[in-house]
Amino acid sequence: EDKVVQSPLSLVVHEGDTVTLNCSYEVTNFRSLLWYKQEKKAPTFLFMLTSSGIEKKSGRLSSILDKKELFSILNITATQTGDSAVYLCAGNRDDKIIFGKGTRLHILP
Amino acid sequence: DAGVTQSPTHLIKTRGQQVTLRCSPISGHKSVSWYQQVLGQGPQFIFQYYEKEERGRGNFPDRFSARQFPNYSSELNVNALLLGDSALYLCASSFAGKLFFGSGTQLSVL
Repeated sequence: EDKVVQSPLSLVVHEGDTVTLNCSYEVTNFRSLLWYKQEKKAPTFLFMLTSSGIEKKSGRLSSILDKKELFSILNITATQTGDSAVYLCAGNRDDKIIFGKGTRLHILP
Repeated sequence: DAGVTQSPTHLIKTRGQQVTLRCSPISGHKSVSWYQQVLGQGPQFIFQYYEKEERGRGNFPDRFSARQFPNYSSELNVNALLLGDSALYLCASSFAGKLFFGSGTQLSVL
């Protein structure tokens, strides 16, 4: 059965810290790995990763995919209180997208 | 440009009732998918439609059904509501493999 597992489930850090969020996946007919940020209701798109070893970067956020180890990480440097949210990882197999439970990140001022 | 719009935003129903949720995708997006998100969990895939055809279905009972219209908008129907159907229902339209979500419909079943 397809599954996506995120760790840790919850994380509390101080503003300015760097965090690494983990995502492992077992998805048949895998196409891509997606990261989303969910603050209230609508998850907002962060990254789509299709190739191994190529880092995607947007400001203080970056992500990389390892298709051999079936693993992805999301890094956030110099965290700010506005980064507090649930971060969702998802595996895309074209006919469906499987989400993990998310990592709840709380940034202390 | 308008994003994905869902209606209603909140809904309260009683057990046994039926509910219809509506979704309008981003203009130009032909694929719509539905997700159920229970508090503390990630979104669970329910259906995916592309060009009015069902392309995928998650592990949900037959009480859940959906359709997509010629203008690519979509409806999700849930019959014989159970307390466990209480959740945030998210709709997403997709383009080039990326999902864009609406703000969801919060359904409470009493």
